[in-house]
Amino acid sequence: DTAVSQTPKYLVTQMGNDKSIKCEQNLGHDTMYWYKQDSKKFLKIMFSYNNKELIINETVPNRFSPKSPDKAHLNLHINSLELGDSAVYFCASSQKYKLHEQYFGPGTRLTVT
Amino acid sequence: GESVGLHLPTLSVQEGDNSIINCAYSNSASDYFIWYKQESGKGPQFIIDIRSNMDKRQGQRVTVLLNKTVKHLSLQIAATQPGDSAVYFCAENMAQSSYKLIFGSGTRLLVRP
Repeated sequence: DTAVSQTPKYLVTQMGNDKSIKCEQNLGHDTMYWYKQDSKKFLKIMFSYNNKELIINETVPNRFSPKSPDKAHLNLHINSLELGDSAVYFCASSQKYKLHEQYFGPGTRLTVT
Repeated sequence: GESVGLHLPTLSVQEGDNSIINCAYSNSASDYFIWYKQESGKGPQFIIDIRSNMDKRQGQRVTVLLNKTVKHLSLQIAATQPGDSAVYFCAENMAQSSYKLIFGSGTRLLVRP
């Protein structure tokens, strides 16, 4: 299936731990994103990458470090997890010339206890 | 779980009726306006977009209207079906910062059988 996939779908961890979320797209897109959706469903951009290069870092704490090993992958590593990091994290991708038409993954629900 | 989504504005319609979901935007410099649909437990899905130099665009069963005078965007869904039940988000994309989508707060659409 052509899609954006994320792993894991659920992640429960304790404060202070370090965790990673992986994202892969097989749509041939050059641009990938990470979004955070809070408990009120508010969706906010965190990072944008184009062709493995960081384009946007939307004032995200440096505990969050995205890494793009190639154009099809954008992983998110989070250090020293805090309670406020609990949210659903979405990866997305788009074509370079249709940046507003984004394809989202199924999300990773992170719960920090 | 999904109960936190009940804080969202909710539109309840009878199956078969038309639905109108509204959105106010703030940035006159936005180049594209987009509607996304998010079903329970899934990532947002692109529905339709409209460029800022247009005032109406039609898709399959959906119509988007843009009123730049009052900075208002609406999504009309004809003959609403149970599968249309979801949270709908409007989003803006600015030419100067095209790698970023700014999402609105979302409206939950409930379709009564």
